[in-house]
Amino acid sequence: GAVVSQHPSWVICKSGTSVKIECRSLDFQATTMFWYRQFPKQSLMLMATSNEGSKATYEQGVEKDKFLINHASLTLSTLTVTSAHPEDSSFYICSARDAVQGAAAVDQPQHFGDGTRLSIL
Amino acid sequence: AQKITQTQPGMFVQEKEAVTLDCTYDTSDPSYGLFWYKQPSSGEMIFLIYQGSYDQQNATEGRYSLNFQKARKSANLVISASQLGDSAMYFCALGGYSTLTFGKGTMLLVSP
Repeated sequence: GAVVSQHPSWVICKSGTSVKIECRSLDFQATTMFWYRQFPKQSLMLMATSNEGSKATYEQGVEKDKFLINHASLTLSTLTVTSAHPEDSSFYICSARDAVQGAAAVDQPQHFGDGTRLSIL
Repeated sequence: AQKITQTQPGMFVQEKEAVTLDCTYDTSDPSYGLFWYKQPSSGEMIFLIYQGSYDQQNATEGRYSLNFQKARKSANLVISASQLGDSAMYFCALGGYSTLTFGKGTMLLVSP
């Protein structure tokens, strides 16, 4: 159980293109999903927290207009990198937490998608 | 603010031996969780083990165990009987009310 699907796995596109990445929880409902960015040989950096039915909460330094997040349903969140440039090239990975009723958020692990490698030429 | 520290950039271990990956943390939250994830070279993040701050016993999951010392604010991961497939990056993470804070990771290499 607790499978998170992320699509696409790889994207290579020209500078100026907008790229959409999907994150789906396949066998559970996720009121909250998370988007991370990871540079080579570095740790995961939280970009934003995606809340179903409301606006995402962005971390300091993350451009809201650059990284558009939509969480339209309990099983789907999307990240759109608008007008991508070479400096946006990175590994993007999403996660979701199973909203177990009665359980505290601190006790619930985040389940991750397989990530998306984005290369902007 | 939450802080998580992994001081070992890399660790080497021989197959079938045990290895300990260090993790220390700092938080002002009264209730928190500690998580370990494995990231192979393919990139996916695999959840390994969880320890709640109020758990009296150390967590165990198969070959993985968590040596939780609350007073020292440490949550070390112990992998017993290492296998070649254990070679990967390992991240310790501190969970607060909503988000996870990750350490910088430890690269584990298991040799035959």
